Amino acid sequence: RKEVEQDPGPFNVPEGATVAFNCTYSNSASQSFFWYRQDCRKEPKLLMSVYSSGNEDGRFTAQLNRASQYISLLIRDSKLSDSATYLCVVKIVDTGRRALTFGSGTRLQVQP
Amino acid sequence: NAGVMQNPRHLVRRRGQEARLRCSPMKGHSHVYWYRQLPEEGLKFMVYLQKENIIDESGMPKERFSAEFPKEGPSILRIQQVVRGDSAAYFCASSLQFTEAFFGQGTRLTVV
Repeated sequence: RKEVEQDPGPFNVPEGATVAFNCTYSNSASQSFFWYRQDCRKEPKLLMSVYSSGNEDGRFTAQLNRASQYISLLIRDSKLSDSATYLCVVKIVDTGRRALTFGSGTRLQVQP
Repeated sequence: NAGVMQNPRHLVRRRGQEARLRCSPMKGHSHVYWYRQLPEEGLKFMVYLQKENIIDESGMPKERFSAEFPKEGPSILRIQQVVRGDSAAYFCASSLQFTEAFFGQGTRLTVV
């Protein structure tokens, strides 16, 4: 089982739609959580950190459920420019391991 | 404050040659991660280093690959005797200890 799992998509949504991505993680030693976005053939860019209390940045809302070990990202009022792959990232601090572990990503295509 | 700098951006090597990929972290960052991304695939963790120490190399192939992050100078990912299957984008990221990581633009290695 992968340590960080995401639905690969693609999610095809019209402009203005609300779309939600979920991510599950298996390692209870996970300490920090992030969402990144990656455009085709470019480097991943930090979208937002995810806090236990949930956090919002404009049209983006991230939530963390430690009990169920999942993280979510909600995008409201989708724009064409939101089309990208969204990566769920977990920092695992475990014996001998302190890596940032990436999910395989969920592809979003916003259509006009 | 310059971001994470990787060079070269593109590298072509013949089979059997050595490839050296360099990564200069953001100013003040002492933690470096290396990831590999094959076309149409997700980011695969390779190695996590702190100055002069390898913290987690659980993703590094056992042979031909090595990484270092000396006290002075950039982090180096070295691939000896490259093969066609090593062709990929190699991304470096840097961070403070438990915070989000920022990525460089990557080095695209092509083995011919």
